[in-house]
Amino acid sequence: GQQLNQSPQSMFIQEGEDVSMNCTSSSIFNTWLWYKQDPGEGPVLLIALYKAGELTSNGRLTAQFGITRKDSFLNISASIPSDVGIYFCAGLDNTNAGKSTFGDGTTLTVKP
Amino acid sequence: NAGVTQTPKFQVLKTGQSMTLQCAQDMNHNSMYWYRQDPGMGLRLIYYSASEGTTDKGEVPNGYNVSRLNKREFSLRLESAAPSQTSVYFCASSPTGFEQYFGPGTRLTVT
Repeated sequence: GQQLNQSPQSMFIQEGEDVSMNCTSSSIFNTWLWYKQDPGEGPVLLIALYKAGELTSNGRLTAQFGITRKDSFLNISASIPSDVGIYFCAGLDNTNAGKSTFGDGTTLTVKP
Repeated sequence: NAGVTQTPKFQVLKTGQSMTLQCAQDMNHNSMYWYRQDPGMGLRLIYYSASEGTTDKGEVPNGYNVSRLNKREFSLRLESAAPSQTSVYFCASSPTGFEQYFGPGTRLTVT
């Protein structure tokens, strides 16, 4: 089946630093989604991308849909302690409508 | 709106026991999903329901059955629990089949 490679697996940063993470796939996706999971809770949608090349922001978060449609990037600027959690990317293609493929997540730790 | 609710929050089963995980959403979404999440891994799709009355297998359906009882409710049944089914189970719903809204999860341990 389709697989997503999400990197890095984990990050330890100081409060105030910027963060970058990405997802790559051997398959083309038509939609990329980024979720955040706080400890003990379900994932929450952060940003949805529907068009190749699209750049979308949500507060301090910016995500991009790669032009090849095989990758996506998430940046967090000026990190704060509440950014701690696991960030997941998910890709969907039109042949499997409704079936998202999830990456294994990037665990972010922010040191005050 | 409560969003997506799941019951129970925690459950311990013995090998061979059966149980049903319940999920309900009050957002009038057409699509609903069941995932499992194992430590250090992403979410793997067990079953999904694109609309009321339809269900389809996901990536890891073996050992599970589902019922889309109505538009609001989507249950997951383990007929004969195995230790390999120890996991955190998440239900999700979607209005469009793209962005998904997740419940808080059920933490299941099978001994």
